[in-house]
Amino acid sequence: GQQLNQSPQSMFIQEGEDVSMNCTSSSIFNTWLWYKQDPGEGPVLLIALYKAGELTSNGRLTAQFGITRKDSFLNISASIPSDVGIYFCAGREPGTSYGKLTFGQGTILTVHP
Amino acid sequence: NAGVTQTPKFRILKIGQSMTLQCTQDMNHNYMYWYRQDPGMGLKLIYYSVGAGITDKGEVPNGYNVSRSTTEDFPLRLELAAPSQTSVYFCAISEEMNTGELFFGEGSRLTVL
Repeated sequence: GQQLNQSPQSMFIQEGEDVSMNCTSSSIFNTWLWYKQDPGEGPVLLIALYKAGELTSNGRLTAQFGITRKDSFLNISASIPSDVGIYFCAGREPGTSYGKLTFGQGTILTVHP
Repeated sequence: NAGVTQTPKFRILKIGQSMTLQCTQDMNHNYMYWYRQDPGMGLKLIYYSVGAGITDKGEVPNGYNVSRSTTEDFPLRLELAAPSQTSVYFCAISEEMNTGELFFGEGSRLTVL
């Protein structure tokens, strides 16, 4: 099936720093989503993107739907300790529905106070 | 309003045993999903349902069965547990059909020895 390449695999940053991560695919997607997973919990939706070029913010988080429709980016500004967790990108291919998403492998974020 | 409730949270099985993972939602959403999450991997769709009485296979359905007799419940059954089914299982729901915006339960961690 479709594969998503998410990078970096892990990040260790200082509190207050900005964070960038991205996700690329070999084929186009109609939808890109970013989820965060805290330890022992299920993923929680952060941002959903539905149009190529779309730039959407949610507090300190900003995500973009790449113009080629094959990539997406997530930025976190002024990181804080509670940003720690695993961030997953997910995409939906044209012709699929019902929440049949393809997930990236995740980016593990560690924030040092 | 608990959202999505999964039971049990943890379970250890012996090879060849069977068990059912329960998933119940109180949000009256039509669309329900079962995903599995392996270490360092993204989530993979096992089965999904678009409403009571309707289920379909996802990306990795082998070794699993589901049923959807009510809107609220979507149990996942493992008939002959194998070590390859050691994973964390997430049930998810969605309100819309094509958005990919999923609401996840807290997960069930299954170990097969």
